[in-house]
Amino acid sequence: ELKVEQNPLFLSMQEGKNYTIYCNYSTTSDRLYWYRQDPGKSLESLFVLLSNGAVKQEGRLMASLDTKARLSTLHITAAVHDLSATYFCAVDPNGYALNFGKGTSLLVTP
Amino acid sequence: DSGVTQTPKHLITATGQRVTLRCSPRSGDLSVYWYQQSLDQGLQFLIQYYNGEERAKGNILERFSAQQFPDLHSELNLSSLELGDSALYFCASSVVGRTNEKLFFGSGTQLSVL
Repeated sequence: ELKVEQNPLFLSMQEGKNYTIYCNYSTTSDRLYWYRQDPGKSLESLFVLLSNGAVKQEGRLMASLDTKARLSTLHITAAVHDLSATYFCAVDPNGYALNFGKGTSLLVTP
Repeated sequence: DSGVTQTPKHLITATGQRVTLRCSPRSGDLSVYWYQQSLDQGLQFLIQYYNGEERAKGNILERFSAQQFPDLHSELNLSSLELGDSALYFCASSVVGRTNEKLFFGSGTQLSVL
């Protein structure tokens, strides 16, 4: 059974600090996806990582993928309150359906 | 706004009943996905359609069924509802139905089974 595990599941951090969210998965996959969900809202695609070593950055968020280690990281730089949300990683071993992790609930406090 | 439209936004019903959730994909998208989000199970893939044909099936119960119509809108039918079916049901769409492309999610239908 495919497992997608995120760590941590809950994260409270101060504005201005840096932190990394980890996503481990249990099966071979060359692709990994990060989504953001604001409370009571839908999911929004953040990053699509399509190969080993892929790194993508958008504002204060940077995602990377190591397919050999089956690990992706989402690094947050100098956090601001607007980044408070739940972040999901997902993999698609069969190319058709995304399998999501449980999500990391991030709260950025002053 | 993702361009994916789901109706209704909220649905309250009783155990044993049947409901239909509707999804209109973004203009030009041929593929529709259904996901269920609950506190205990997280986000679970249910089923995918591409241009009217079922393409992939996930953890969808036998009491649930879906279809995609010629105009590409999709419906998810949930029958013999149980308390545990209470969840947020998302529809997503993409152009050709491969996951190496971005999925666009609708705002979801919140189903409450009482």
